Amino acid sequence: QQQVKQSPQSLIVQKGGISIINCAYENTAFDYFPWYQQFPGKGPALLIAIRPDVSEKKEGRFTISFNKSAKQFSLHIMDSQPGDSATYFCAASSDNAGNMLTFGGGTRLMVKP
Amino acid sequence: NAGVTQTPKFQVLKTGQSMTLQCAQDMNHEYMSWYRQDPGMGLRLIHYSVGAGITDQGEVPNGYNVSRSTTEDFPLRLLSAAPSQTSVYFCASSSPFITTNTEAFFGQGTRLTVV
Repeated sequence: QQQVKQSPQSLIVQKGGISIINCAYENTAFDYFPWYQQFPGKGPALLIAIRPDVSEKKEGRFTISFNKSAKQFSLHIMDSQPGDSATYFCAASSDNAGNMLTFGGGTRLMVKP
Repeated sequence: NAGVTQTPKFQVLKTGQSMTLQCAQDMNHEYMSWYRQDPGMGLRLIHYSVGAGITDQGEVPNGYNVSRSTTEDFPLRLLSAAPSQTSVYFCASSSPFITTNTEAFFGQGTRLTVV
């Protein structure tokens, strides 16, 4: 069974809009929650990450919101751009190095110009 | 700065053949891991290593072997390829973190087709 569930599977957003991707996890031992961005033919690359001692983290146009009691976290992309079109993966880990990552199923984002 | 290098990029195997997927990193990272990526399932951990000489199984280890004789290299061996092993394989490396944004660096992937 999938320990990290991600939705939606695909998302279409107009340029300048807000993209929202949600994830839910089951394992309460998880203590590191990164988001990865993947372009076609490339490996995933870290976008932003959060630990459960904070409820929100913002880096530029990207924000993670984290709800520990609900075991949910989400990625918000503000002012979405066509260059943001990619597949996004949430992940979770309980080790100290993000070495053993459990990934969500991925969201394919398309930002229309 | 090469980062994580995987070879080959593409491979077609016949059922029952064996092969080794190569992975090398030049960042002196202690931790390395192998994932497979299948549509709709994200990436799933196959095997991982926390240092030279130490390996362990991940979520989907069956049909795969690994070894870690050096810090830099972490090859993945398919003993007898099966069509169910058709996938894109990613190698990653990382170090124990002391900050929030510790990063697992991924290679470019190996697309494997078993016919």
